[in-house]
Amino acid sequence: DTVLTQSPALAVSPGERVSISCRASEGVNSYMHWYQQKPGQQPKLLIYKASNLASGVPARFSGSGSGTDFTLTIDPVEADDTATYFCQQSWNDWTFGGGTKLELK
Amino acid sequence: EVQLVESGGGLVKPGSSLKLSCVASGFTFSSYGMHWIRQAPKKGLEWIALIYYDSSNKYYADSVKGRFTISRDNSKNTLYLEMNSLRSEDTAMYYCAKWDGSYDYFDYWGQGVMVTVSS
Repeated sequence: DTVLTQSPALAVSPGERVSISCRASEGVNSYMHWYQQKPGQQPKLLIYKASNLASGVPARFSGSGSGTDFTLTIDPVEADDTATYFCQQSWNDWTFGGGTKLELK
Repeated sequence: EVQLVESGGGLVKPGSSLKLSCVASGFTFSSYGMHWIRQAPKKGLEWIALIYYDSSNKYYADSVKGRFTISRDNSKNTLYLEMNSLRSEDTAMYYCAKWDGSYDYFDYWGQGVMVTVSS
Protein backbone atom coordinates (compact mmCIF):
# COMPACT_ATOMS: atom_id res chain seq x y z
CA ASP A 1 0.00 0.00 0.00
CA THR A 2 1.07 3.57 -0.62
CA VAL A 3 1.41 5.24 2.79
CA LEU A 4 0.72 8.96 3.05
CA THR A 5 2.31 10.83 5.96
CA GLN A 6 0.96 14.12 7.31
CA SER A 7 1.88 16.18 10.36
CA PRO A 8 -0.79 15.60 13.04
CA ALA A 9 -1.55 19.23 13.87
CA LEU A 10 -0.80 22.86 13.13
CA ALA A 11 -1.80 26.11 14.81
CA VAL A 12 -1.87 29.43 12.97
CA SER A 13 -3.33 32.88 13.42
CA PRO A 14 -6.09 34.23 11.17
CA GLY A 15 -4.66 36.10 8.21
CA GLU A 16 -1.49 34.03 8.09
CA ARG A 17 -0.41 31.60 5.41
CA VAL A 18 -0.26 27.89 6.26
CA SER A 19 1.20 24.98 4.34
CA ILE A 20 0.09 21.42 5.07
CA SER A 21 2.38 18.72 3.76
CA CYS A 22 1.77 15.17 2.60
CA ARG A 23 4.55 12.74 1.76
CA ALA A 24 3.91 9.51 -0.14
CA SER A 25 5.92 6.34 0.43
CA GLU A 26 6.23 5.96 -3.33
CA GLY A 27 5.61 8.18 -6.33
CA VAL A 28 1.98 8.90 -7.13
CA ASN A 29 2.55 11.06 -10.21
CA SER A 30 0.09 13.96 -9.69
CA TYR A 31 -2.77 11.79 -8.45
CA MET A 32 -2.98 13.48 -5.07
CA HIS A 33 -6.18 15.07 -3.80
CA TRP A 34 -7.07 17.09 -0.70
CA TYR A 35 -10.19 17.10 1.47
CA GLN A 36 -11.41 19.23 4.36
CA GLN A 37 -13.40 17.65 7.18
CA LYS A 38 -15.04 19.75 9.86
CA PRO A 39 -16.19 18.11 13.11
CA GLY A 40 -19.33 16.05 12.64
CA GLN A 41 -19.31 16.51 8.87
CA GLN A 42 -18.32 14.47 5.86
CA PRO A 43 -15.11 15.22 3.97
CA LYS A 44 -15.31 17.87 1.26
CA LEU A 45 -13.11 17.93 -1.83
CA LEU A 46 -10.79 20.95 -2.02
CA ILE A 47 -8.08 20.13 -4.55
CA TYR A 48 -7.86 17.38 -7.15
CA LYS A 49 -4.88 16.10 -9.12
CA ALA A 50 -2.41 18.03 -6.99
CA SER A 51 -3.24 21.57 -8.01
CA ASN A 52 -6.76 21.87 -9.39
CA LEU A 53 -9.29 23.80 -7.30
CA ALA A 54 -12.60 22.00 -6.87
CA SER A 55 -15.80 23.77 -7.81
CA GLY A 56 -16.95 26.34 -5.25
CA VAL A 57 -13.74 26.23 -3.20
CA PRO A 58 -12.27 29.65 -2.37
CA ALA A 59 -9.10 30.68 -4.20
CA ARG A 60 -7.40 30.98 -0.78
CA PHE A 61 -6.79 27.25 -1.13
CA SER A 62 -4.12 25.96 -3.48
CA GLY A 63 -2.19 22.77 -4.02
CA SER A 64 1.22 21.89 -5.38
CA GLY A 65 3.63 19.01 -5.77
CA SER A 66 4.25 15.86 -7.76
CA GLY A 67 5.89 12.50 -7.22
CA THR A 68 6.12 12.00 -3.46
CA ASP A 69 5.83 15.47 -1.91
CA PHE A 70 2.68 17.54 -1.93
CA THR A 71 1.46 20.70 -0.21
CA LEU A 72 -1.91 22.25 0.51
CA THR A 73 -1.64 26.00 1.13
CA ILE A 74 -4.25 28.27 2.66
CA ASP A 75 -3.55 31.99 2.27
CA PRO A 76 -4.89 33.82 4.12
CA VAL A 77 -6.30 31.51 6.80
CA GLU A 78 -9.77 32.35 8.08
CA ALA A 79 -11.50 31.24 11.28
CA ASP A 80 -13.82 28.99 9.27
CA ASP A 81 -10.82 26.95 8.08
CA THR A 82 -10.58 25.16 11.44
CA ALA A 83 -10.81 21.53 10.32
CA THR A 84 -8.84 18.38 9.62
CA TYR A 85 -7.25 18.16 6.20
CA PHE A 86 -6.63 14.81 4.50
CA CYS A 87 -4.55 14.00 1.46
CA GLN A 88 -5.54 11.01 -0.69
CA GLN A 89 -3.72 9.28 -3.54
CA SER A 90 -5.27 7.34 -6.38
CA TRP A 91 -2.15 6.21 -8.29
CA ASN A 92 -2.04 2.88 -6.49
CA ASP A 93 -5.54 1.97 -5.31
CA TRP A 94 -6.85 4.59 -2.90
CA THR A 95 -5.24 5.54 0.40
CA PHE A 96 -5.52 8.51 2.72
CA GLY A 97 -3.11 10.37 4.95
CA GLY A 98 -3.77 10.41 8.68
CA GLY A 99 -4.97 14.01 8.54
CA THR A 100 -3.64 17.34 9.78
CA LYS A 101 -5.78 19.13 12.34
CA LEU A 102 -5.63 22.87 11.77
CA GLU A 103 -6.33 25.03 14.77
CA LEU A 104 -6.48 28.78 14.91
CA LYS A 105 -4.67 30.73 17.62
CA GLU B 1 -27.47 19.64 -6.17
CA VAL B 2 -25.75 16.31 -5.61
CA GLN B 3 -27.05 14.49 -2.55
CA LEU B 4 -26.00 11.15 -1.11
CA VAL B 5 -27.96 9.85 1.86
CA GLU B 6 -26.81 6.75 3.71
CA SER B 7 -28.95 4.60 5.98
CA GLY B 8 -29.01 1.19 7.61
CA GLY B 9 -26.38 1.57 10.30
CA GLY B 10 -26.73 0.57 13.92
CA LEU B 11 -25.39 -1.47 16.83
CA VAL B 12 -24.79 -5.14 16.07
CA LYS B 13 -22.98 -8.04 17.71
CA PRO B 14 -19.75 -9.53 16.38
CA GLY B 15 -20.40 -12.10 13.68
CA SER B 16 -23.67 -10.57 12.56
CA SER B 17 -24.66 -8.90 9.30
CA LEU B 18 -25.87 -5.49 8.20
CA LYS B 19 -26.78 -3.87 4.88
CA LEU B 20 -26.15 -0.19 4.23
CA SER B 21 -27.91 1.86 1.57
CA CYS B 22 -26.98 5.12 -0.13
CA VAL B 23 -29.64 6.95 -2.12
CA ALA B 24 -28.30 9.35 -4.73
CA SER B 25 -29.90 12.39 -6.33
CA GLY B 26 -28.87 15.45 -8.32
CA PHE B 27 -26.83 13.58 -10.92
CA THR B 28 -27.18 10.68 -13.37
CA PHE B 29 -26.41 7.89 -10.91
CA SER B 30 -26.20 5.20 -13.60
CA SER B 31 -23.26 7.00 -15.24
CA TYR B 32 -20.88 7.05 -12.29
CA GLY B 33 -18.85 4.63 -10.27
CA MET B 34 -19.41 4.74 -6.52
CA HIS B 35 -17.26 4.00 -3.50
CA TRP B 36 -17.68 3.14 0.17
CA ILE B 37 -15.16 4.68 2.55
CA ARG B 38 -15.11 4.33 6.33
CA GLN B 39 -13.68 6.22 9.27
CA ALA B 40 -13.17 4.56 12.65
CA PRO B 41 -13.78 6.82 15.67
CA LYS B 42 -11.05 9.45 15.99
CA LYS B 43 -9.17 7.76 13.14
CA GLY B 44 -8.37 8.40 9.52
CA LEU B 45 -10.20 7.39 6.38
CA GLU B 46 -10.07 3.94 4.82
CA TRP B 47 -11.28 3.10 1.32
CA ILE B 48 -13.19 -0.18 1.30
CA ALA B 49 -15.02 -0.76 -1.98
CA LEU B 50 -15.66 0.48 -5.52
CA ILE B 51 -18.36 -0.47 -8.03
CA TYR B 52 -18.36 0.66 -11.63
CA TYR B 53 -21.33 2.51 -13.08
CA ASP B 54 -22.71 -0.65 -14.68
CA SER B 55 -21.64 -3.09 -11.92
CA SER B 56 -19.17 -4.66 -14.36
CA ASN B 57 -16.28 -4.33 -11.94
CA LYS B 58 -16.05 -4.38 -8.17
CA TYR B 59 -12.97 -3.91 -6.01
CA TYR B 60 -12.44 -4.37 -2.29
CA ALA B 61 -9.86 -3.54 0.34
CA ASP B 62 -8.14 -6.59 1.76
CA SER B 63 -9.62 -5.80 5.19
CA VAL B 64 -13.17 -6.52 3.95
CA LYS B 65 -12.65 -8.84 0.99
CA GLY B 66 -14.80 -11.95 1.28
CA ARG B 67 -16.99 -10.41 4.00
CA PHE B 68 -18.44 -7.26 2.36
CA THR B 69 -20.29 -6.99 -0.95
CA ILE B 70 -20.89 -3.77 -2.86
CA SER B 71 -23.84 -3.58 -5.24
CA ARG B 72 -26.13 -1.05 -6.85
CA ASP B 73 -29.61 -0.71 -8.33
CA ASN B 74 -29.52 1.98 -11.00
CA SER B 75 -33.31 1.90 -11.34
CA LYS B 76 -33.54 3.02 -7.71
CA ASN B 77 -30.48 5.32 -7.70
CA THR B 78 -29.23 3.31 -4.77
CA LEU B 79 -25.85 1.93 -3.72
CA TYR B 80 -25.55 -0.89 -1.19
CA LEU B 81 -22.94 -2.40 1.09
CA GLU B 82 -23.74 -5.80 2.51
CA MET B 83 -21.55 -6.56 5.51
CA ASN B 84 -21.21 -10.07 6.92
CA SER B 85 -19.14 -11.58 9.72
CA LEU B 86 -18.78 -8.18 11.33
CA ARG B 87 -15.90 -7.60 13.72
CA SER B 88 -15.24 -4.96 16.36
CA GLU B 89 -12.67 -3.38 14.03
CA ASP B 90 -15.45 -2.70 11.51
CA THR B 91 -16.87 -0.11 13.91
CA ALA B 92 -16.81 3.13 11.94
CA MET B 93 -18.72 5.84 10.16
CA TYR B 94 -19.43 4.59 6.66
CA TYR B 95 -19.57 7.06 3.79
CA CYS B 96 -20.68 6.55 0.22
CA ALA B 97 -18.88 8.73 -2.28
CA LYS B 98 -19.34 9.59 -5.94
CA TRP B 99 -16.33 8.81 -8.09
CA ASP B 100 -14.80 11.12 -10.64
CA GLY B 101 -13.20 8.46 -12.79
CA SER B 102 -11.37 10.95 -14.98
CA TYR B 103 -8.89 11.99 -12.31
CA ASP B 104 -9.83 9.32 -9.80
CA TYR B 105 -11.05 11.24 -6.77
CA PHE B 106 -14.19 11.42 -4.63
CA ASP B 107 -16.08 14.56 -5.57
CA TYR B 108 -19.15 14.19 -3.34
CA TRP B 109 -19.66 12.36 -0.05
CA GLY B 110 -22.74 11.42 1.91
CA GLN B 111 -23.18 12.49 5.52
CA GLY B 112 -22.26 9.01 6.71
CA VAL B 113 -23.92 6.26 8.74
CA MET B 114 -22.53 4.82 11.95
CA VAL B 115 -21.94 1.10 12.38
CA THR B 116 -21.00 -0.16 15.84
CA VAL B 117 -19.98 -3.77 16.35
CA SER B 118 -19.97 -4.70 20.02
CA SER B 119 -21.13 -7.50 22.26
